[in-house]
Amino acid sequence: DTEVTQTPKHLVMGMTNKKSLKCEQHMGHRAMYWYKQKAKKPPELMFVYSYEKLSINESVPSRFSPECPNSSLLNLHLHALQPEDSALYLCASSQDRTQSGVQFFGPGTRLTVL
Amino acid sequence: DAKTTQPNSMESNEEEPVHLPCNHSTISGTDYIHWYRQLPSQGPEYVIHGLTSNVNNRMASLAIAEDRKSSTLILHRATLRDAAVYYCILPDSNYQLIWGAGTKLIIKP
Repeated sequence: DTEVTQTPKHLVMGMTNKKSLKCEQHMGHRAMYWYKQKAKKPPELMFVYSYEKLSINESVPSRFSPECPNSSLLNLHLHALQPEDSALYLCASSQDRTQSGVQFFGPGTRLTVL
Repeated sequence: DAKTTQPNSMESNEEEPVHLPCNHSTISGTDYIHWYRQLPSQGPEYVIHGLTSNVNNRMASLAIAEDRKSSTLILHRATLRDAAVYYCILPDSNYQLIWGAGTKLIIKP
Protein backbone atom coordinates (compact mmCIF):
# COMPACT_ATOMS: atom_id res chain seq x y z
CA ASP A 1 0.00 0.00 0.00
CA THR A 2 1.78 3.14 -1.22
CA GLU A 3 -1.13 5.46 -0.73
CA VAL A 4 -1.71 8.52 1.41
CA THR A 5 -5.40 9.16 1.93
CA GLN A 6 -7.00 12.44 2.92
CA THR A 7 -10.53 13.21 4.05
CA PRO A 8 -12.63 15.04 3.22
CA LYS A 9 -11.90 15.79 -0.45
CA HIS A 10 -13.75 19.09 -0.24
CA LEU A 11 -14.72 21.22 2.76
CA VAL A 12 -16.68 24.45 2.96
CA MET A 13 -16.72 26.18 6.32
CA GLY A 14 -17.66 29.48 7.88
CA MET A 15 -15.25 31.64 9.81
CA THR A 16 -16.73 30.57 13.15
CA ASN A 17 -16.70 26.83 12.45
CA LYS A 18 -14.36 24.20 13.83
CA LYS A 19 -13.40 21.40 11.47
CA SER A 20 -10.64 18.83 11.06
CA LEU A 21 -8.72 17.47 8.11
CA LYS A 22 -7.50 13.88 8.31
CA CYS A 23 -4.58 12.09 6.71
CA GLU A 24 -3.61 8.42 6.89
CA GLN A 25 -0.76 6.28 5.58
CA HIS A 26 0.05 2.61 6.11
CA MET A 27 3.54 2.53 4.65
CA GLY A 28 5.26 2.55 8.05
CA HIS A 29 6.58 6.05 7.40
CA ARG A 30 7.75 7.97 10.45
CA ALA A 31 7.62 11.50 9.01
CA MET A 32 4.41 13.27 8.02
CA TYR A 33 3.83 16.73 6.61
CA TRP A 34 1.11 19.33 6.05
CA TYR A 35 1.40 21.69 3.10
CA LYS A 36 -0.82 24.54 1.93
CA GLN A 37 -1.16 25.27 -1.79
CA LYS A 38 -2.86 28.32 -3.27
CA ALA A 39 -4.01 28.27 -6.88
CA LYS A 40 -1.18 28.30 -9.44
CA LYS A 41 1.45 28.41 -6.66
CA PRO A 42 3.81 25.70 -5.37
CA PRO A 43 3.10 23.91 -2.08
CA GLU A 44 4.19 25.69 1.12
CA LEU A 45 5.27 23.64 4.10
CA MET A 46 3.21 24.17 7.27
CA PHE A 47 4.17 21.43 9.74
CA VAL A 48 6.47 18.43 9.98
CA TYR A 49 6.01 15.52 12.37
CA SER A 50 8.85 13.10 12.95
CA TYR A 51 8.23 10.00 15.07
CA GLU A 52 4.91 11.53 16.17
CA LYS A 53 6.61 14.65 17.51
CA LEU A 54 6.21 18.09 15.98
CA SER A 55 9.58 18.90 14.42
CA ILE A 56 8.86 21.97 12.36
CA ASN A 57 6.20 24.65 12.54
CA GLU A 58 6.69 27.17 9.77
CA SER A 59 5.23 30.09 11.73
CA VAL A 60 1.70 29.01 10.95
CA PRO A 61 -1.12 30.96 12.69
CA SER A 62 -2.57 29.26 15.76
CA ARG A 63 -5.95 28.87 14.05
CA PHE A 64 -4.28 25.82 12.45
CA SER A 65 -3.53 23.12 15.03
CA PRO A 66 -1.83 19.87 13.97
CA GLU A 67 -2.10 16.58 15.81
CA CYS A 68 -0.39 13.24 15.29
CA PRO A 69 -2.34 10.62 17.31
CA ASN A 70 -0.14 7.75 16.09
CA SER A 71 2.41 6.93 13.42
CA SER A 72 -0.25 6.39 10.73
CA LEU A 73 -2.53 9.37 11.33
CA LEU A 74 -2.14 13.11 11.00
CA ASN A 75 -4.88 15.63 11.68
CA LEU A 76 -5.16 19.34 11.08
CA HIS A 77 -7.69 21.09 13.30
CA LEU A 78 -9.14 24.31 11.94
CA HIS A 79 -10.77 27.06 13.98
CA ALA A 80 -11.75 30.65 13.20
CA LEU A 81 -10.25 30.56 9.72
CA GLN A 82 -10.20 33.52 7.36
CA PRO A 83 -11.28 33.55 3.70
CA GLU A 84 -7.60 33.87 2.68
CA ASP A 85 -7.04 30.41 4.21
CA SER A 86 -9.00 28.91 1.33
CA ALA A 87 -6.55 26.59 -0.44
CA LEU A 88 -5.64 23.00 -1.20
CA TYR A 89 -4.24 21.31 1.92
CA LEU A 90 -1.85 18.49 1.14
CA CYS A 91 -0.60 15.77 3.43
CA ALA A 92 2.58 13.83 2.70
CA SER A 93 4.68 11.15 4.35
CA SER A 94 8.21 9.84 4.04
CA GLN A 95 10.21 6.95 5.52
CA ASP A 96 12.01 9.47 7.69
CA ARG A 97 13.68 12.84 7.23
CA THR A 98 16.81 12.60 5.10
CA GLN A 99 18.30 14.33 2.06
CA SER A 100 17.31 11.43 -0.13
CA GLY A 101 13.89 10.89 1.40
CA VAL A 102 11.00 10.59 -1.02
CA GLN A 103 7.69 12.12 -0.01
CA PHE A 104 4.38 10.52 -0.94
CA PHE A 105 1.48 12.93 -1.24
CA GLY A 106 -2.24 12.55 -0.77
CA PRO A 107 -4.75 14.06 -3.20
CA GLY A 108 -5.43 17.00 -0.89
CA THR A 109 -8.45 18.60 0.73
CA ARG A 110 -9.90 21.58 -1.13
CA LEU A 111 -10.91 24.04 1.61
CA THR A 112 -13.18 27.02 1.06
CA VAL A 113 -13.72 29.48 3.91
CA LEU A 114 -16.76 31.72 3.57
CA ASP B 1 13.71 30.49 -1.02
CA ALA B 2 14.03 27.78 -3.65
CA LYS B 3 17.59 26.94 -4.62
CA THR B 4 16.64 26.02 -8.19
CA THR B 5 15.58 27.89 -11.33
CA GLN B 6 13.44 26.43 -14.09
CA PRO B 7 11.71 27.81 -17.20
CA ASN B 8 8.11 28.84 -16.51
CA SER B 9 6.71 26.66 -19.27
CA MET B 10 7.66 24.33 -22.12
CA GLU B 11 5.76 22.77 -24.99
CA SER B 12 6.37 19.44 -26.62
CA ASN B 13 4.68 17.18 -29.12
CA GLU B 14 3.09 13.92 -28.08
CA GLU B 15 5.30 10.84 -28.40
CA GLU B 16 8.49 12.91 -28.60
CA PRO B 17 11.20 13.15 -25.93
CA VAL B 18 11.09 16.06 -23.52
CA HIS B 19 14.09 17.60 -21.78
CA LEU B 20 13.24 19.74 -18.75
CA PRO B 21 16.21 21.80 -17.50
CA CYS B 22 16.98 22.93 -13.96
CA ASN B 23 19.77 25.16 -12.67
CA HIS B 24 21.05 24.78 -9.11
CA SER B 25 24.33 26.67 -9.10
CA THR B 26 24.57 26.85 -5.28
CA ILE B 27 24.23 23.09 -4.77
CA SER B 28 26.42 21.59 -2.05
CA GLY B 29 28.18 18.25 -2.17
CA THR B 30 25.53 16.41 -0.16
CA ASP B 31 22.41 17.91 -1.78
CA TYR B 32 20.20 15.44 -3.57
CA ILE B 33 18.30 16.65 -6.65
CA HIS B 34 14.62 15.71 -6.53
CA TRP B 35 11.96 15.96 -9.23
CA TYR B 36 8.26 15.89 -8.52
CA ARG B 37 5.32 16.62 -10.78
CA GLN B 38 1.78 17.73 -10.16
CA LEU B 39 -0.95 16.80 -12.60
CA PRO B 40 -4.02 19.06 -12.73
CA SER B 41 -6.24 18.71 -9.65
CA GLN B 42 -3.94 16.14 -8.02
CA GLY B 43 -1.34 16.05 -5.27
CA PRO B 44 2.34 16.15 -6.22
CA GLU B 45 3.93 12.90 -7.33
CA TYR B 46 7.55 11.79 -6.96
CA VAL B 47 9.34 11.34 -10.29
CA ILE B 48 13.03 10.71 -9.65
CA HIS B 49 16.02 11.81 -7.58
CA GLY B 50 19.80 11.55 -7.71
CA LEU B 51 23.06 12.74 -6.21
CA THR B 52 25.86 12.53 -8.76
CA SER B 53 25.27 9.80 -11.31
CA ASN B 54 22.58 9.76 -13.94
CA VAL B 55 19.49 7.86 -12.84
CA ASN B 56 16.78 5.97 -14.69
CA ASN B 57 13.43 4.64 -13.57
CA ARG B 58 10.20 3.62 -15.24
CA MET B 59 8.95 7.21 -15.38
CA ALA B 60 11.97 9.20 -16.49
CA SER B 61 15.73 9.69 -16.59
CA LEU B 62 17.74 12.26 -14.68
CA ALA B 63 20.92 13.60 -16.25
CA ILE B 64 23.17 15.47 -13.80
CA ALA B 65 25.93 17.75 -15.06
CA GLU B 66 29.45 16.87 -14.06
CA ASP B 67 29.77 19.99 -11.89
CA ARG B 68 26.24 19.29 -10.51
CA LYS B 69 25.19 22.89 -11.10
CA SER B 70 22.43 21.80 -13.44
CA SER B 71 20.33 18.77 -14.27
CA THR B 72 17.83 17.67 -16.89
CA LEU B 73 14.74 15.54 -16.47
CA ILE B 74 14.12 13.45 -19.57
CA LEU B 75 10.74 12.02 -20.48
CA HIS B 76 11.57 9.60 -23.26
CA ARG B 77 8.20 9.60 -25.01
CA ALA B 78 5.76 12.16 -23.71
CA THR B 79 2.05 11.41 -23.65
CA LEU B 80 -0.88 13.71 -22.97
CA ARG B 81 -0.94 12.29 -19.44
CA ASP B 82 2.49 13.81 -18.80
CA ALA B 83 1.08 17.34 -18.96
CA ALA B 84 1.82 18.70 -15.50
CA VAL B 85 3.91 21.16 -13.50
CA TYR B 86 7.38 19.68 -12.95
CA TYR B 87 9.33 20.78 -9.88
CA CYS B 88 13.09 20.48 -9.47
CA ILE B 89 13.89 20.61 -5.74
CA LEU B 90 16.92 20.59 -3.47
CA PRO B 91 16.07 19.81 0.17
CA ASP B 92 17.30 22.35 2.72
CA SER B 93 19.45 21.67 5.76
CA ASN B 94 16.35 20.43 7.63
CA TYR B 95 15.65 17.94 4.79
CA GLN B 96 12.57 19.91 3.77
CA LEU B 97 11.54 20.20 0.14
CA ILE B 98 11.74 23.86 -0.87
CA TRP B 99 9.45 24.27 -3.87
CA GLY B 100 10.08 26.78 -6.65
CA ALA B 101 7.54 27.78 -9.29
CA GLY B 102 8.26 24.73 -11.46
CA THR B 103 7.88 24.26 -15.22
CA LYS B 104 4.44 23.85 -16.73
CA LEU B 105 4.76 21.20 -19.43
CA ILE B 106 2.25 21.41 -22.26
CA ILE B 107 1.91 18.40 -24.54
CA LYS B 108 0.48 19.01 -27.99
CA PRO B 109 -1.37 16.11 -29.66
